Amino acid sequence: EAGVVQSPRYKIIEKKQPVAFWCNPISGHNTLYWYLQNLGQGPELLIRYENEEAVDDSQLPKDRFSAERLKGVDSTLKIQPAELGDSAVYLCASSLGTTSGDGNEQFFGPGTRLTVL
Amino acid sequence: GENVEQHPSTLSVQEGDSAVIKCTYSDSASNYFPWYKQELGKRPQLIIDIRSNVGEKKDQRIAVTLNKTAKHFSLHITETQPEDSAVYFCAAKRTAQKLVFGQGTRLTINP
Repeated sequence: EAGVVQSPRYKIIEKKQPVAFWCNPISGHNTLYWYLQNLGQGPELLIRYENEEAVDDSQLPKDRFSAERLKGVDSTLKIQPAELGDSAVYLCASSLGTTSGDGNEQFFGPGTRLTVL
Repeated sequence: GENVEQHPSTLSVQEGDSAVIKCTYSDSASNYFPWYKQELGKRPQLIIDIRSNVGEKKDQRIAVTLNKTAKHFSLHITETQPEDSAVYFCAAKRTAQKLVFGQGTRLTINP
């Protein structure tokens, strides 16, 4: 069974440029998460989807970040415009759903390492 | 909201010895506590988890203990091997809330 797929694996851009990350969760997982992981720190949730609905986006900087999961399967996270401080690893994860996704193992993708110059 | 503190930030042990990593959490309603292992440049992977209705759980060389009264939980690795070298993250969540991760512990197993 394929795991969580993310692309690209690496991205280098100049500040003020836009960037987008793509995630395809494990088949059948209706809960999808985007995390930000800074070097030497634990992942921090940006947004959580239950199917196509964003149920927790309180940590998403909405002035420059956006996300979508139109058909409740794959998802895209976008940054526009990127800033130097956005350099980090962006992790996608998925889990089997209960209404709240509670207590179900989250499977992580390999991440996208973003470098903003 | 939930806050998770993890100690130590780095840990070095001799191969074959035991390693213990400790975490404290702030939200007494948290009821799910997973541990993730992340090798350099790789994705975090769940190694063990425990729910609040259980005090201890074991899986071969790995065990986790939970003290709800003190709001802390620990990861125990026995008979450590070089492949145990990685960064370990604890996490905690309550029902319908997000998973909050600790800052991580870099474990090094010395041969």
